[in-house]
Amino acid sequence: GEDVEQSLFLSVREGDSSVINCTYTDSSSTYLYWYKQEPGAGLQLLTYIFSNMDMKQDQRLTVLLNKKDKHLSLRIADTQTGDSAIYFCAESRGTGSARQLTFGSGTQLTVLP
Amino acid sequence: NAGVTQTPKFRVLKTGQSMTLLCAQDMNHEYMYWYRQDPGMGLRLIHYSVGEGTTAKGEVPDGYNVSRLKKQNFLLGLESAAPSQTSVYFCASSFIGQVPRDTQYFGPGTRLTVL
Repeated sequence: GEDVEQSLFLSVREGDSSVINCTYTDSSSTYLYWYKQEPGAGLQLLTYIFSNMDMKQDQRLTVLLNKKDKHLSLRIADTQTGDSAIYFCAESRGTGSARQLTFGSGTQLTVLP
Repeated sequence: NAGVTQTPKFRVLKTGQSMTLLCAQDMNHEYMYWYRQDPGMGLRLIHYSVGEGTTAKGEVPDGYNVSRLKKQNFLLGLESAAPSQTSVYFCASSFIGQVPRDTQYFGPGTRLTVL
């Protein structure tokens, strides 16, 4: 299938904002997701957005959705060293019980002191 | 409540050897998944299961087999390991009716090296 695309690396200074971008392919996805993977661990759901929303804010996290361009972004305000991780966007494809998540390649966020 | 657990955490195999990775979840989830993670390629779905006794192929099923004899367990087998199967393997589970839909809960991963 077509890819969910993300840039591979992002470096920011502690205290700055981080913006991680993603382009997806399935315009019928009901939800779009951001997962976080810390070193040596599995993925954890970080946040998500419903497809009829343009923006969702959750404390330091802001998710923006542009359905026309199939573009999703995750902004982390006041980035901390503990935010260093790999961030994956994901879309849901398929129908019924065959519905599956398709993940992007992940963006490695490095927070510099 | 341990969530999703995977056994073993690490394994080194020689080409041609076989092994089974075990995934267990104690959340009574209907759906279970096996992924592999390779650098720069994200997670790719190997096989999945929508219930006890049922399995289906994902994006990269070749060289792997799975079984779901019990609802809480999902086994991934490699019959004849190849160096191309060197990867980190993740198991995940989800349940019908959750919000948001399709949220998956991941295990800690198994790092497999095939020499």
